[in-house]
Amino acid sequence: GAVVSQHPSWVICKSGTSVKIECRSLDFQATTMFWYRQFPKQSLMLMATSNEGSKATYEQGVEKDKFLINHASLTLSTLTVTSAHPEDSSFYICSARRDRAENEQFFGPGTRLTVL
Amino acid sequence: AQSVTQLDSQVPVFEEAPVELRCNYSSSVSVYLFWYVQYPNQGLQLLLKYLSGSTLVKGINGFEAEFNKSQTSFHLRKPSVHISDTAEYFCAVSNPLTGANNLFFGTGTRLTVIP
Repeated sequence: GAVVSQHPSWVICKSGTSVKIECRSLDFQATTMFWYRQFPKQSLMLMATSNEGSKATYEQGVEKDKFLINHASLTLSTLTVTSAHPEDSSFYICSARRDRAENEQFFGPGTRLTVL
Repeated sequence: AQSVTQLDSQVPVFEEAPVELRCNYSSSVSVYLFWYVQYPNQGLQLLLKYLSGSTLVKGINGFEAEFNKSQTSFHLRKPSVHISDTAEYFCAVSNPLTGANNLFFGTGTRLTVIP
C-alpha cells in the first residue's frame, strides 16, 4: 500500500509554454501532498505543501505564480510550471501523507522536465 | 530549525564488503530521522526510520542505522553490500511536533558497489 504515481515521467517543452505534472495517491487518500525539486546531484528542496481544498503553502523563494499547485481531491495534486524557461529544467518529485498523525511521506517516482 | 549533514558525497565499496554512510543532524528539539534510497530516475524509497525507542533500527534490504543522541548521528550500515545497492542515499530529519511536514534532507551520498 501507499503508492504514489506521477505523470508524466518525463516531459520536454519549448521555452514559454506551460507544463502540468500530476501526482496521485493510488491506494490511499492523502490529506497533504508535497512538491520537491531536485537539481542534478543535489538534494531535494521542498517547494510547497498542498492540503486538499485549500491553498498551497510555498517555501521562501518559490514563486507561487510560476509554480501553480492545485489539490482538488484527496488523491490528486497538480503542479503547473507556467511560462517555463530553461532554468526550470529539473526533476520534480511529489510525496503524500495519509493523515496528520502520519510521520512518513510516500514519494512518487518523479518527473524530469527539460525546457528547451 | 533542523539540518542534516552527510559528510561523504561518494562512497565506493567492493561487493560483499561492509559499508557505513554517515549522517549528522542539528536540532534544538527531539527529532525523527529517516534514510531514503533513490535509484536512477526514480523517486525516494524509505529504507528505515527512527521515531523513538530502540536506538538500533532495522530497515529493508539488510540496512540498519543507529541513533546516537550524544553524537547527533544516525549512520546507515550494511554488513555486506550487493551490486543492486548502488544508488543515492539521503538522510532526512523532521520535527516530531510537525510530524512529516518540513522534512529536511541531506545532500545525499552516492554509493557505488564495485564488482
